[in-house]
Amino acid sequence: DQQVKQNSPSLSVQEGRISILNCDYTNSMFDYFLWYKKYPAEGPTFLISISSIKDKNEDGRFTVFLNKSAKHLSLHIVPSQPGDSAVYFCAARATGTASKLTFGTGTRLQVTL
Amino acid sequence: KAGVTQTPRYLIKTRGQQVTLSCSPISGHRSVSWYQQTPGQGLQFLFEYFSETQRNKGNFPGRFSGRQFSNSRSEMNVSTLELGDSALYLCASSLLPTGSFEQFFGPGTRLTVL
Repeated sequence: DQQVKQNSPSLSVQEGRISILNCDYTNSMFDYFLWYKKYPAEGPTFLISISSIKDKNEDGRFTVFLNKSAKHLSLHIVPSQPGDSAVYFCAARATGTASKLTFGTGTRLQVTL
Repeated sequence: KAGVTQTPRYLIKTRGQQVTLSCSPISGHRSVSWYQQTPGQGLQFLFEYFSETQRNKGNFPGRFSGRQFSNSRSEMNVSTLELGDSALYLCASSLLPTGSFEQFFGPGTRLTVL
């Protein structure tokens, strides 16, 4: 039972354009959401997070949007840079589960010149 | 500040053997979680330790176990290895058991079972 879904395994975007990565979830007990970036042979690196009481959080070029009624969140990267090419994981935490994170299967982003 | 370290980085074992992986969290971090990453499955939560106590456990068989020491270092053990245990095992540490829930990951241990 995949509670966090990233339906697009890959995405290709031109440098300078906007990258939009999507994530859907099914568990209504999720109260905190995070995005991680992963390069080959490295562990995931935290990017940005959002609490379920908010609908938007911004950090530089990265913005996360949360639509609770649709159980959907998205990560916007503007402008996209070649160094953003990596696998992006969406993760969620359910209320009362301490630090346990449930991850999606990831979206591979390629930013082309 | 040193990041999360995991040893060994690569490991090759045969079916039926057992293996122990080690994780040293960031200094001051008391919560350590373990995840298994396989192609197409994303990261699957194994367990979480805080102050030497297991606080959460994922849906893995009893062959997977772990522990945490008083210095917050953690080990995970897999007994009677199966081919399907081949994966990247990631350790993550966090400063607090609650709060931002941001976890810092190590580079992982790549386990291959032949």
